[in-house]
Amino acid sequence: DSGVTQTPKHLITATGQRVTLRCSPRSGDLSVYWYQQSLDQGLQFLIQYYNGEERAKGNILERFSAQQFPDLHSELNLSSLELGDSALYFCASSSGQGENSPLHFGNGTRLTVT
Amino acid sequence: DAKTTQPPSMDCAEGRAANLPCNHSTISGNEYVYWYRQIHSQGPQYIIHGLKNNETNEMASLIITEDRKSSTLILPHATLRDTAVYYCIVRSGGSNYKLTFGKGTLLTVNP
Repeated sequence: DSGVTQTPKHLITATGQRVTLRCSPRSGDLSVYWYQQSLDQGLQFLIQYYNGEERAKGNILERFSAQQFPDLHSELNLSSLELGDSALYFCASSSGQGENSPLHFGNGTRLTVT
Repeated sequence: DAKTTQPPSMDCAEGRAANLPCNHSTISGNEYVYWYRQIHSQGPQYIIHGLKNNETNEMASLIITEDRKSSTLILPHATLRDTAVYYCIVRSGGSNYKLTFGKGTLLTVNP
């Protein structure tokens, strides 16, 4: 158990809809990272937050947004969903910003868009 | 981030040591080598990381060559549950410290 909790585990929705994925980081971790894993793309970095502030953006679509709340949990919002958004979405957390701080991943949310 | 090169697949017999190689010839002096694994669509699992010295923990050992251009992850006694995709990642500093995953090595442990 990594200590990172993601909900829900599975989500099935229709095209055009909006969903919210939730992540609770490990106790004490200030950084949260979101990754997307689809069959043909591998693990792709989406976005990172540190102590409530956005720190880095990767290949995140404009239809996607995220935030980190004062209690350090994070939410990833996906809107105007398309079939191609079907994927596993992982959240990870680390204690700080240093490169010597491992990321610990949750078990993901599997999103299916029909 | 420095690029890494790993074999796409490897086999290992159960109970034997699994040695997974990784080349990272463009690594910079302040970049760490990280190893993760992913078992069948579960979240990537942190294994070990190092900068210059060899490292060992309860899961594995990491051997980094003196010139730091390559490394080897060693699972001392592989079990069937070690079958997974193993990712070698060079992590740089900067403003975000994200991990960039490649394709990794699919390790299959055979009975």
